[in-house]
Amino acid sequence: DIQMTQSPPSLSASVGDRVTITCRASQSISTFLNWYQHKPGKAPDLLIYGAFRLQSGVPSRFSASGSGTDFTLTISSLQPEDFATYYCQQSYNTPPFTFGRGTKLEIK
Amino acid sequence: QLVESGGGVVQPGGSLRLACTASGFTFSNYAMHWVRQAPGKGLEWVAFIRYDESNKFYADSVKGRFTISKDNSKNTLYLQMNSLRAEDTAVYYCARHDYLTGIYPFDLWGQGTLVTVSS
Repeated sequence: DIQMTQSPPSLSASVGDRVTITCRASQSISTFLNWYQHKPGKAPDLLIYGAFRLQSGVPSRFSASGSGTDFTLTISSLQPEDFATYYCQQSYNTPPFTFGRGTKLEIK
Repeated sequence: QLVESGGGVVQPGGSLRLACTASGFTFSNYAMHWVRQAPGKGLEWVAFIRYDESNKFYADSVKGRFTISKDNSKNTLYLQMNSLRAEDTAVYYCARHDYLTGIYPFDLWGQGTLVTVSS
């Protein structure tokens, strides 16, 4: 099974900051990498699919890149509504549809 | 929209059936998933079913105990959970498998239903 490793596990930042979250796959997954945002008590939301493709309706301050084993999610200027937990997920070699352990983005 | 139901408190060894009712899209065209989040933990994929029920897959942690099914006439996805354990305690989400992009992300999620396994 493919393992997904996210870093950092948690991140403290301020409104207006630029933040980057990384995700590494245990083997190449091409660009079959997706990013989700999850807030407590809410449904997870798809942000990015295919490593860099912005899901419809997602603000342009979110961007992502990578291919093979190494991927990044960047938020260019943090807004109050961006404080949440972010997960990467591979959809290349399935099942299982493996998620990373998450990165909790908190307000500094 | 996806709306889960059926969660609750159940004793270890007990059973529970979750449902996920879909609206606003052609349910019969889509494969579906169940994903769970245990308290203080991350997202864990649980089960997958193809649009026509022709194939089903399960996480090792639930294989042989959980059964996913789909009733396209009722626009409803199910998860039958048997032999429940304390470690199955979690919020369970249903999610839609996006086949249109060729990348297969989970592009629509429900709000979740809480399952608590406790004596």
